[in-house]
Order: sequence, then structure tokens, then C-alpha cells
Amino acid sequence: ETGVTQTPRHLVMGMTNKKSLKCEQHLGHNAMYWYKQSAKKPLELMFVYSLEERVENNSVPSRFSPECPNSSHLFLHLHTLQPEDSALYLCASSQIGGQNTEAFFGQGTRLTVV
Amino acid sequence: AQKITQTQPGMFVQEKEAVTLDCTYDTSDPSYGLFWYKQPSSGEMIFLIYQGSYDQQNATEGRYSLNFQKARKSANLVISASQLGDSAMYFCAMRELRAGGYQKVTFGTGTKLQVIP
Repeated sequence: ETGVTQTPRHLVMGMTNKKSLKCEQHLGHNAMYWYKQSAKKPLELMFVYSLEERVENNSVPSRFSPECPNSSHLFLHLHTLQPEDSALYLCASSQIGGQNTEAFFGQGTRLTVV
Repeated sequence: AQKITQTQPGMFVQEKEAVTLDCTYDTSDPSYGLFWYKQPSSGEMIFLIYQGSYDQQNATEGRYSLNFQKARKSANLVISASQLGDSAMYFCAMRELRAGGYQKVTFGTGTKLQVIP
């Protein structure tokens, strides 16, 4: 496998459920990101992990809990979500320090909260 | 704070014609990078092209070119010889390098391009 892989691709969950989104990158990158893409809104950066350490948390509610066990894997743990949390959640990775290095994105997990 | 503006919510182009997607940006950082990404209906964000703020020449990648006008703070994407597979959402984005070396990328609202046979 190459690139950035996200699972599951689609997820429907109730407001009382607990679920996790998984992201795996095979690019040897050392920074990973979670973005939220809601309808008719720009992508919103949620969390950034650099060298497995969380370096940014952009005012994300605590019902979203990220985890980065190693440089290749990133999780987003979800619990007691609200319907307005329904969105496409995109994971990305990049190489730290490169001036011309772009972020590579996964295909996203489309989350529906019912 | 960084800001990216894409003023065209939707665009149509005839197959084989060229199309320009507009993007303006605002930043106080002298060093920045500009990207264009394509997002087909499958959801994946696909990197197309990159322009560094200090690059002297406009970036080109195959049928994609970036018309970078630094003084006007614009970074328009030009797609030549449009193909049906180019139908997608296109996002302009700006990279800010943080102290730790990682990227903080700000995205525009996107332009939906539809290529007509």
C-alpha cells in the first residue's frame, strides 16, 4: 500500500456510540493532521501531530480525542457526538521541515451522526 | 492570520478548452507556499501544484499551471485542454510553516468545476 489510507470510508453512528477513525500513512512522513470538511465550509484543521506529539488543537470539543501511537498511525476517537459533527474527516501527512513538500491526504471518512 | 479567497463557487468549461480558477490570498508572512488540490466525488484531496513565495517562475505540472502574481496576491490555477475527468472541486490553499517545522495549511472554500462534453 502507498499513500494515506483511512478507514472506515463511511460511518453512521448514534449520539451515544463510541467509535474510532483510523489513518495510516506509508510515506515515511513525521507529521499527521486531522481536518474536518463540512458542507459549504472551508476545511478546518482540527489536530496536528509532529513527531508523535500533539502540537495543535484548534479549539476542538473534547468529544473528539486524537491519538498518535507512532509516526505512521493516527486515530480520532469519537464519543457522544452531535448531529452537527456529521462531515467528511480527512487525514493528511507531511514531512517536517521541507519547504516544498505538500501534504498528502487520505480519501476521508464520511461520518453521519444520527 | 492567513486567508484564502476563491470567489467562483462553480465553473463550466467545454472539453478541450482551457479554464482559469481564481484564488487570492492574504498573509503577513514573507515566506509561504501556495497549493492547489483537486477533490473528486470520492473525497480524496489530490495534490496538483505548488508555488513557493520566493519562486521566480510560475509553477507548471503537465496540464496545470499556476499564474502567480505576488504583488496582487493572486495564485490562479490554469487547466489547459480540459478533460471530463477534471470535473471536481478545486481548492486553493496556503501553507504556513510553524516553528516545529510542520505545516499549517489554510484552505479556500473551493470551486466546483464541471467539464462539458
